[in-house]
Amino acid sequence: AQSVTQLGSHVSVSEGALVLLRCNYSSSVPPYLFWYVQYPNQGLQLLLKYTSAATLVKGINGFEAEFKKSETSFHLTKPSAHMSDAAEYFCAVSDTGANSKLTFGKGITLSVRP
Amino acid sequence: DAGVIQSPRHEVTEMGQEVTLRCKPISGHNSLFWYRQTMMRGLELLIYFNNNVPIDDSGMPEDRFSAKMPNASFSTLKIQPSEPRDSAVYFCASSPPDRINEQFFGPGTRLTVL
Repeated sequence: AQSVTQLGSHVSVSEGALVLLRCNYSSSVPPYLFWYVQYPNQGLQLLLKYTSAATLVKGINGFEAEFKKSETSFHLTKPSAHMSDAAEYFCAVSDTGANSKLTFGKGITLSVRP
Repeated sequence: DAGVIQSPRHEVTEMGQEVTLRCKPISGHNSLFWYRQTMMRGLELLIYFNNNVPIDDSGMPEDRFSAKMPNASFSTLKIQPSEPRDSAVYFCASSPPDRINEQFFGPGTRLTVL
């Protein structure tokens, strides 16, 4: 069974600081990996995805993530946090089949201090 | 383009009552998912449909929960009888053909069972 681990439940950064949200995966086969974002009182929105092409993936709003097989990681980063980045972020994994469903992590809340 | 539409947005009911949540997926999408989100358990997949057929309902908590998808543009999630522990936000999501993991979420229905 596939799974993702997001350590911690809350990260707080200052506006303009680096954002780093960690995600480690467990999978017996090369997975597809995703980051979703949930703004307050909204549904989840796809931020970026890794589907075995380039290991550095760029997403919306200046976020990017790097797939590192040796570390079984897919950490999300953004060089400079903005107040509007405050949200909950979910890492998710699936296998590579056409009809494979997502397995989400527990999510991590990002707060941005002025 | 209209996104995934869910109704109602908020539902408050008393224990023992029947609750029906509704979802209209994005036109052209052929996979539909029902999720439940709570603080304690995070985001849980309840059931998903592909081409209107239930594929995996292993996440449905018990017989009180049922879901239908009578056509490509409509799905319902029913709880009968409802219990206070069913209080949660219920999300519907849909995805396009052959991109099942690129899920588009609706705004959710916040259910409170008193």
